[in-house]
Amino acid sequence: AQTVTQSQPEMSVQEAETVTLSCTYDTSESDYYLFWYKQPPSRQMILVIRQEAYKQQNATENRFSVNFQKAAKSFSLKISDSQLGDAAMYFCALVGNQFYFGTGTSLTVIP
Amino acid sequence: GAVVSQHPSWVICKSGTSVKIECRSLDFQATTMFWYRQFPKQSLMLMATSNEGSKATYEQGVEKDKFLINHASLTLSTLTVTSAHPEDSSFYICSARDLDGGPAYGYTFGSGTRLTVV
Repeated sequence: AQTVTQSQPEMSVQEAETVTLSCTYDTSESDYYLFWYKQPPSRQMILVIRQEAYKQQNATENRFSVNFQKAAKSFSLKISDSQLGDAAMYFCALVGNQFYFGTGTSLTVIP
Repeated sequence: GAVVSQHPSWVICKSGTSVKIECRSLDFQATTMFWYRQFPKQSLMLMATSNEGSKATYEQGVEKDKFLINHASLTLSTLTVTSAHPEDSSFYICSARDLDGGPAYGYTFGSGTRLTVV
């Protein structure tokens, strides 16, 4: 069975500060991919960052970076220089033959 | 980039009627599309996997006779909620993967459909 766990239902961060969202997963597959998606109030799912499990180097996309610890099955998202537009629901996802989503973390950015 | 168009964005229907939701890949071909249901402040729940030219695969607990899925072409999948009831009110989202993209490229999501059954 494949599971994705996000243990932080809600998080908040001051504008311009850094915040880290946690995600752990479990899978029996050796080849898989991990994603972070953002869902703003419009409810459109937006891809934030992706990580191939076979790559050791952590993925980075501008202000967004991940800390991928394969042995620990951990995949956290770091948002630097937080902006008001970062406020959204963030979902961690594992992809094998289908998507497995975590329960989400609601991020509030405080001006 | 890949775009998935989902229509309508919102719909209100009377109890007992049927509603069709369309999911269309605009600039790529998708042999597989996925349909999700999302309740307020909850995660996406996979309902079914739609395969072009074959029957959809439904997740456990999802009534296939109520949620009819048709994937007649490489760019279009439809979800029909038949004999809708108020408990079917929810947010429905589709997603698709570019035929040539592979899982490393992720999946593109439609903008969702808010269904309200009155």
